[in-house]
Amino acid sequence: NAGVMQNPRHLVRRRGQEARLRCSPMKGHSHVYWYRQLPEEGLKFMVYLQKENIIDESGMPKERFSAEFPKEGPSILRIQQVVRGDSAAYFCASARTGQETQYFGPGTRLLVL
Amino acid sequence: DAKTTQPTSMDCAEGRAANLPCNHSTISGNEYVYWYRQIHSQGPQYIIHGLKNNETNEMASLIITEDRKSSTLILPHATLRDTAVYYCIVRVVETSGSRLTFGEGTQLTVNP
Repeated sequence: NAGVMQNPRHLVRRRGQEARLRCSPMKGHSHVYWYRQLPEEGLKFMVYLQKENIIDESGMPKERFSAEFPKEGPSILRIQQVVRGDSAAYFCASARTGQETQYFGPGTRLLVL
Repeated sequence: DAKTTQPTSMDCAEGRAANLPCNHSTISGNEYVYWYRQIHSQGPQYIIHGLKNNETNEMASLIITEDRKSSTLILPHATLRDTAVYYCIVRVVETSGSRLTFGEGTQLTVNP
C-alpha cells in the first residue's frame, strides 16, 4: 500500500515563475492537508481540502497561492510569481476521513533563485 | 488547540529507553494527544496517539496521566535511527477534520 506521494521532490524556479506541487494521497484517503516548513522553522498549516472542496484555507497567503483537489487526479498547490521567500519544504498529508490520523508525504523542496 | 510544552533537546544512549515528556495542562476533554517525529527534514512520521488510556504500538508507548495534563512518549529500545525532532500535538478531532499545529518539538539525539 503506497504512502502519500509528492512530486517533484525538488523544484527550482526563478523569481516570477510559477511552481506546481503535486500530492497523491494514500489509497482510500479523500482528505488532503498542505503544510509549509521554512528553513530552520517549524511546520505551518496552509490548507485543508476534500475532493473538489476547500475546507480551511486560513493558513494560505492571501496572494499568489492556490490549492485544488479535483475529483480525479492529485491535489495541486500552485504558487504564482514565486519570490525568494517562497523557498521552503512543502509537505502534504492525507487522511481517510477528516478526523483521522494524517500521514505525510516526503515533501517537495522548492528553491527560488 | 491546547498549547504543549516540550524540552528543547534530550540525549539517550543507544539501546536504552527514551522517555520524552510533554505538558498540555490546558487540554480539553475532546482533545487527543498525538506524537509525530521528523527525521532530518523528511516528512513527519506518525507515531502514536491517545485520548485517556495508555497506548502501545510497534513503535512506541504513550503514557497519559490521569488528569491528562501531561504525557510521555516511550521508545523502549532507542536506536541511532530514532534521532529526530519529536512533536507532541494536542488536537481536537472533529468530524470535519482539523489541522495539526506543530510546536518546536524535542530534538532527541541517540548516542552510540
